[in-house]
Amino acid sequence: EPEVTQTPSHQVTQMGQEVILRCVPISNHLYFYWYRQILGQKVEFLVSFYNNEISEKSEIFDDQFSVERPDGSNFTLKIRSTKLEDSAMYFCASSEIQNQETQYFGPGTRLLVL
Amino acid sequence: GDSVTQMEGPVTLSEEAFLTINCTYTATGYPSLFWYVQYPGEGLQLLLKATKADDKGSNKGFEATYRKETTSFHLEKGSVQVSDSAVYFCALSSYQGAQKLVFGQGTRLTINP
Repeated sequence: EPEVTQTPSHQVTQMGQEVILRCVPISNHLYFYWYRQILGQKVEFLVSFYNNEISEKSEIFDDQFSVERPDGSNFTLKIRSTKLEDSAMYFCASSEIQNQETQYFGPGTRLLVL
Repeated sequence: GDSVTQMEGPVTLSEEAFLTINCTYTATGYPSLFWYVQYPGEGLQLLLKATKADDKGSNKGFEATYRKETTSFHLEKGSVQVSDSAVYFCALSSYQGAQKLVFGQGTRLTINP
């Protein structure tokens, strides 16, 4: 069964450093998403992406964040200058164009900012 | 804005016990409702969904019915197994230009043999 994959599974970085989290969505899906879950808190929506542009973003998704689909398979989330409060589990998800609301999630990347 | 509230966890049950995890929501419009499950060390997996009032979603022995009158989507299973131990998330789809999911806080379920 096709699945969403994410790399790396864990990342440790220093405050102020740039990180790039990578995702490979399910191959025939055209909608892509990033969510995050700070330890002990709810899973929160960050951004949705369709047709090479952002469809919607939350208040969390400020100028420090960016997303990109650099090729036909990868979908990336970049944090330009990480802060301590960016430490969280980051989930990528994708969905079909005919059934946008049913989203399939990857296993997540646990980011720790020191 | 839209929101989802789940019963506080953790929940601990014995094998073969009956499970209910409560979920209520607040939303404008008519959202679709979902239960996701997260097994230890894994990502969020879609467990079941319902797209309109009175729909019942079911999968792997789990069921949930979309109750518009009580704005609820409680998850139930008649006889739980140790392998059901996981964190369960209730969510709704909130269409505001693009589909995004709004999640509850998650309920950790532990089943003892």
